[in-house]
Amino acid sequence: DAKTTQPNSMESNEEEPVHLPCNHSTISGTDYIHWYRQLPSQGPEYVIHGLTSNVNNRMASLAIAEDRKSSTLILHRATLRDAAVYYCILRDAVTSGTYKYIFGTGTRLKVLA
Amino acid sequence: NAGVTQTPKFQVLKTGQSMTLQCAQDMNHEYMSWYRQDPGMGLRLIHYSVGAGITDQGEVPNGYNVSRSTTEDFPLRLLSAAPSQTSVYFCASSIIGWAGPEKLFFGSGTQLSVL
Repeated sequence: DAKTTQPNSMESNEEEPVHLPCNHSTISGTDYIHWYRQLPSQGPEYVIHGLTSNVNNRMASLAIAEDRKSSTLILHRATLRDAAVYYCILRDAVTSGTYKYIFGTGTRLKVLA
Repeated sequence: NAGVTQTPKFQVLKTGQSMTLQCAQDMNHEYMSWYRQDPGMGLRLIHYSVGAGITDQGEVPNGYNVSRSTTEDFPLRLLSAAPSQTSVYFCASSIIGWAGPEKLFFGSGTQLSVL
């Protein structure tokens, strides 16, 4: 199964942009890249996902490298409420016949006031 | 719209006891799954289901049983609880689109302690 690698932790100042990296060098052609975040004492929540093209929504932007071996979640203006653990996940390819979302350990984002 | 509902929120068991963690969703999602999260760790997939009557194992299935008799419910059974099963358990659900499961919706979790 393709794996992801993320830094254990990052810090950002409030109201500044945050770039959260994710490496997935063994990604297959049909793996979708998903991002979730987990606020303290809560279940994870969906942030964004994409396949090849960059994606934007009201929460964040997802920038995917041309070779798809890495991606970056971009929070345009971090707030204190964005302090969470951010997970980058490869949704197992449909062609493999499995439907597994495998979470890694994620990146703990600390936002400084 | 309740979303994904997990019960109970907290549970304390003695070693060897059995119990069932309940998960129900009201979004007509075909896909449901169970995760455990140990303190300071990420989530690990226990079991998942792509529809009523269909279940499969995840990363850490040992010690847990599941069944899916209806679309709405996906209970997780611990047959003989062990201290190593002390964890927070999350249930999640999703629709299955043309490319497989889409975004997951999570419940608020069940905190289980096994003494």
